[in-house]
Amino acid sequence: GESVGLHLPTLSVQEGDNSIINCAYSNSASDYFIWYKQESGKGPQFIIDIRSNMDKRQGQRVTVLLNKTVKHLSLQIAATQPGDSAVYFCAETYSGGYNKLIFGAGTRLAVHP
Amino acid sequence: DVKVTQSSRYLVKRTGEKVFLECVQDMDHENMFWYRQDPGLGLRLIYFSYDVKMKEKGDIPEGYSVSREKKERFSLILESASTNQTSMYLCASSLPTDMNTEAFFGQGTRLTVV
Repeated sequence: GESVGLHLPTLSVQEGDNSIINCAYSNSASDYFIWYKQESGKGPQFIIDIRSNMDKRQGQRVTVLLNKTVKHLSLQIAATQPGDSAVYFCAETYSGGYNKLIFGAGTRLAVHP
Repeated sequence: DVKVTQSSRYLVKRTGEKVFLECVQDMDHENMFWYRQDPGLGLRLIYFSYDVKMKEKGDIPEGYSVSREKKERFSLILESASTNQTSMYLCASSLPTDMNTEAFFGQGTRLTVV
């Protein structure tokens, strides 16, 4: 079936470096994508989203890039901080899909001082 | 502050028991979802509901049922709990389908079936 996957299960970075978390999706009908952050013991929290009519969207210290040609999504975190340590999930859905989100397996980001 | 509240953080149940997981949202959202989260598998959709008394199967509905008698409440039922249903269960809610927006999640219920 259709699925969303991640290239790297674990990413270790130094504090202050930039982080890039990648995600591949397979449903060409997907037109809305979200990145979630999940800290230990908590539910996923929304970070940033992007619709298929955009290639790039920026938030505070985070940028999401969407490449529809190769069905690839990435999350860039600038000046990574210890508080960014968490598991990051990408998710996709499509118009008319009741907002059912399809999630990838997740990437753990470990920030070292 | 928007809120999705799950009634229990941790539950331990015996094999064969009927288990109820409760979820309440205060955002007047039409859509509600139940996911289970397992290491390496991400979040998988069990059931969702797009209106009161309406429900649709997700990707892994076997062994589960749901109930939505009120808009704010969505219950997940394990008819006869089994050890392979030991997992983290996450409830979420969102706005209707024609307004794709993020889903808001509860804090999760870690269920252990022994």
